[in-house]
Formats: sequence, C-alpha cells, structure tokens
Amino acid sequence: QVQLVQSGAEVKKPGASVNVSCKASGYTFTTSYIHWVRQAPGQGLEWMGLIDPSGGTTSYAQSLQGRVTLTRDTSATTIYLELRSLRSEDTAVYYCAREWRDWAMDSFDIWGQGTMVTVS
Amino acid sequence: DIQMTQSPSSLSASVGDRVTLRCRARQNIRNYLNWYQQKPGKAPQLLIYAASSLQSGVPSRFSGSGSETDFTLTISGLQPEDFATYYCQQSHNTPRTFGQGTKVEMK
Repeated sequence: QVQLVQSGAEVKKPGASVNVSCKASGYTFTTSYIHWVRQAPGQGLEWMGLIDPSGGTTSYAQSLQGRVTLTRDTSATTIYLELRSLRSEDTAVYYCAREWRDWAMDSFDIWGQGTMVTVS
Repeated sequence: DIQMTQSPSSLSASVGDRVTLRCRARQNIRNYLNWYQQKPGKAPQLLIYAASSLQSGVPSRFSGSGSETDFTLTISGLQPEDFATYYCQQSHNTPRTFGQGTKVEMK
C-alpha cells in the first residue's frame, strides 16, 4: 500500500543539525511532491517546505530559509530533511506528507508516522 | 502568507450531536481548502479536499462547504471516534497555511 515511513526520534544539542528521512513506497515516487510539516508540543501544524522528487525543485517557509534543506534520492525513493542551527523552539514532531492532486486542487493524502526531534 | 482562522478553538459535544466547525481565510482562496482530523499521538488524516469533496474512506457524516473566504466542516451525528482536533488548510498559495485547530471534546 502507499506509505511514507520516517526515521526514528532524535535528541540534539542547541546549534547542532538533524537529518530526518522519509521513505516512500507503493506509488511512483517522482509523480507526487512531498511536503514537510512540523508540530511543536501542544501546538498546531506548521508548513516547512516542499520538494518535487522528479527534478529536486524545492520551496521553503520564509521563517526557515537558510536553515532547512530538502533533498531526495530517487533510487532509494527517499526524501531527506536537514535542519541546521537547532534551537529549543525546533523541538517538535516532524511529518512528511504526500501531495495528492485532483485537477488543480491539492491536499496531503498520505502522511508519515512522524519523527520527534528534541533540542535540549 | 494567507492567514487561516478557525472557530471555535474548542467545543464540547455529545455523541449524536451535529457539530459545525468554521474556517476563515484572510483572502479569497476560491475552494482551495482542505480539512484534516488529528488524534493525539497520530499524524493528521485528510477528511475533505477542495472544500467539499469527501476523501475516499471517510464516513459520509463528514461534509464540507463554503468558498472564497468562509468554510465549514459539519459532522452529522458525532461518533465516539470523532473526538479529535480538526485543522483547515489552504492550498491556494505557497506557503501552505493551516488554521490553529478546533478541538472537539466530549461533553
């Protein structure tokens, strides 16, 4: 079945970097954008960025520009999130989500299970 | 960025109730509006896309309506598994933005 499986929980020191992976399966990897969304403890959902797995084109939230990079490995059908210069405010659950397009409309129809990143 | 505002922030309801959640966009987003349900410790799940289209597998007691700036999610006959937090999200522009959520709690 279609699924996104993320890497495990991370604990990092302030100023460090973290890498989170998202492996896609059950569909053609290059046909759907992948978005990243994070959720701080007890808070709402914050969109972080997206990547086109076909060409590698990315777009990032302005609040994270310069600290975040999304990359992909098409042979491994995996997307990677790197977040640098970590701060306590980056403590959150990080989700990858597949963009599903119906005509001109899109939504996030498949989500990874989430990866807890703790900065402390 | 397009600001999305949900109301109320929380509500208490009983099994069988009809519940209406609201979402307002700061600018016209036509019908580029999605609704998600999130339960504690779980990833969000898509309920409604394009303002009123029911995602496959979602019970028909969920329905969405609205366009431009004002949208609603209605649950007709609340079930025990529906107690959760609901988020709206616009897909008109990047960055995609979410509302702050409405928590539906048991009365």
